[in-house]
Amino acid sequence: QQQVKQSPQSLIVQKGGISIINCAYENTAFDYFPWYQQFPGKGPALLIAIRPDVSEKKEGRFTISFNKSAKQFSLHIMDSQPGDSATYFCAASKETSGSRLTFGEGTQLTVNP
Amino acid sequence: DTAVSQTPKYLVTQMGNDKSIKCEQNLGHDTMYWYKQDSKKFLKIMFSYNNKELIINETVPNRFSPKSPDKAHLNLHINSLELGDSAVYFCASSQVYRGQETQYFGPGTRLLVL
Repeated sequence: QQQVKQSPQSLIVQKGGISIINCAYENTAFDYFPWYQQFPGKGPALLIAIRPDVSEKKEGRFTISFNKSAKQFSLHIMDSQPGDSATYFCAASKETSGSRLTFGEGTQLTVNP
Repeated sequence: DTAVSQTPKYLVTQMGNDKSIKCEQNLGHDTMYWYKQDSKKFLKIMFSYNNKELIINETVPNRFSPKSPDKAHLNLHINSLELGDSAVYFCASSQVYRGQETQYFGPGTRLLVL
């Protein structure tokens, strides 16, 4: 059972455009939602994270939008650059289960020059 | 200094062989993981150890056996390798702070079974 569903599976954006990746979750007990970024040939690394007490978190060109009632959250990359080309994973966890992360399926982002 | 290291980086072997992948973390974390990433980039959790004790054992063939000699090391031994075992295997360690887990991944071991 996939508890965190991510879309799209792949995304191609032109340089300077906005990249949007969406995730939906089922378990209302989830209370922590990070995004991980994986460059080719490397392991995933934490990019940005949000807790459900806020609807948006911004770090530089990266923004998480969170909709608790819809059980959805998304990653927006503004002014996308070729260096942003990577695989992005959303994840979710709940403190009461030992906070173990459940990952989405991943989105391969390609930003064309 | 590398936080989570894995050896070897590449592993090419014949079907039926037995191989091991080693993982070490110098972050002082109590929890370590093994993940398998297939060609579609999906990250599938295989095992998790906390302080040398197995806490997660997903549906993985028993040809895969993790071993944690101490909390800084989590090795993965694979018996009778099959073509379908070809993938990238990631080790990770994690810490939990205020209910938020951050996982730190190693660089991966690219396994190709011929």
